[in-house]
Amino acid sequence: AQRVTQPEKLLSVFKGAPVELKCNYSYSGSPELFWYVQYSRQRLQLLLRHISRESIKGFTADLNKGETSFHLKKPFAQEEDSAMYYCALTNSGNTPLVFGKGTRLSVIA
Amino acid sequence: GAGVSQTPSNKVTEKGKYVELRCDPISGHTALYWYRQSLGQGPEFLIYFQGTGAADDSGLPNDRFFAVRPEGSVSTLKIQRTERGDSAVYLCASSLTLDRNTEAFFGQGTRLTVV
Repeated sequence: AQRVTQPEKLLSVFKGAPVELKCNYSYSGSPELFWYVQYSRQRLQLLLRHISRESIKGFTADLNKGETSFHLKKPFAQEEDSAMYYCALTNSGNTPLVFGKGTRLSVIA
Repeated sequence: GAGVSQTPSNKVTEKGKYVELRCDPISGHTALYWYRQSLGQGPEFLIYFQGTGAADDSGLPNDRFFAVRPEGSVSTLKIQRTERGDSAVYLCASSLTLDRNTEAFFGQGTRLTVV
């Protein structure tokens, strides 16, 4: 069964500090991993996907197949990064997204 | 419209009543998904459509839940004999295709409260 685990419900960091939001997954195939973000009073939106290997708003995430992890990182947190972050995966084929429970990031000025 | 639209944004209903939740996907998107998000949880898959047909409805919790997409565009999620445990935010998403690398765009959700 596919499962996504985000161990932290809440993560508070000071502005300018590094951020790491943890995500671990279990899968039965070849997964595609994503990070979605939901800012206050806005809809859920895609932040980044592992296959693109891109940096969005300073965030990066590396897929570590050995540790089955896809942690989201940013070297210097900004107040506007405060939001709910969801890690998600989809398996090979056309399976729908499976989401973790989310981590609320709070960046303190 | 520019994005996925869901109506109503809020719905309060009495236990045992029937409700319909509507989703207008982005024009041209063939894939449409319904998710349910309970308090403190991530979105949980309910059902998805490719065109008019339900490609996978394995996430529907029981036979009180049903969804249709008769013309391959607008979709309606129907819940019969609502229960308090059905209270949640119901999210709709659409994507251009079913390809897993295609971005899914979410609506703002319908918050259903069963009293």
